[in-house]
Amino acid sequence: GAVVSQHPSRVICKSGTSVKIECRSLDFQATTMFWYRQFPKQSLMLMATSNEGSKATYEQGVEKDKFLINHASLTLSTLTVTSAHPEDSSFYICSARGPRSGSVNEQYFGPGTRLTVT
Amino acid sequence: QKEVEQNSGPLSVPEGAIASLNCTYSDRGSQSFFWYRQYSGKSPELIMFIYSNGDKEDGRFTAQLNKASQYVSLLIRDSQPSDSATYLCAVLMDSSYKLIFGSGTRLLVRP
Repeated sequence: GAVVSQHPSRVICKSGTSVKIECRSLDFQATTMFWYRQFPKQSLMLMATSNEGSKATYEQGVEKDKFLINHASLTLSTLTVTSAHPEDSSFYICSARGPRSGSVNEQYFGPGTRLTVT
Repeated sequence: QKEVEQNSGPLSVPEGAIASLNCTYSDRGSQSFFWYRQYSGKSPELIMFIYSNGDKEDGRFTAQLNKASQYVSLLIRDSQPSDSATYLCAVLMDSSYKLIFGSGTRLLVRP
């Protein structure tokens, strides 16, 4: 199946520092990648949509200056959490969409990154 | 505000039984529907998608779609303890390819 990787899988950082999370589509070119956040016992909340070579589109309430997204190639998108605070501690998950086997509407999720800000 | 509604559960069924998971959505124009399974601490895994009215079967899983009633369901036959997880229903916003997720239904399959 379509494989999406994320790195790191788990990160602990101090309040005020920045953290970069990478999302890669390993066996297909992803025209669009999505970034989600999931707090404990809650569903996935879409943060932003990332298209290769263009600026990300952020959902209402998501600070674009705090959550920097770069989609430099068809296989890589990065999310940088700047000046992280304890309330940013969450499970961050990316997904990738792209033409694969004719199914253009499917999204495949990365394994997620658990961020803990102390 | 486009919404996707699911009963949070937990839905408890004995091993070998049929588990029925339900989902309703508010946007009548929605065309594509997805079921994901999420184990605790893991990311969602795509189980099935359905575009057309009616049933779609894949192994032990059957997705059912009724666009007139704005209702999607997932049936799991011969439920196994390993099926115990949270099942997320998602609806695709075709213009932007965004997925709108329901809050998920927790399924417990008792041995």
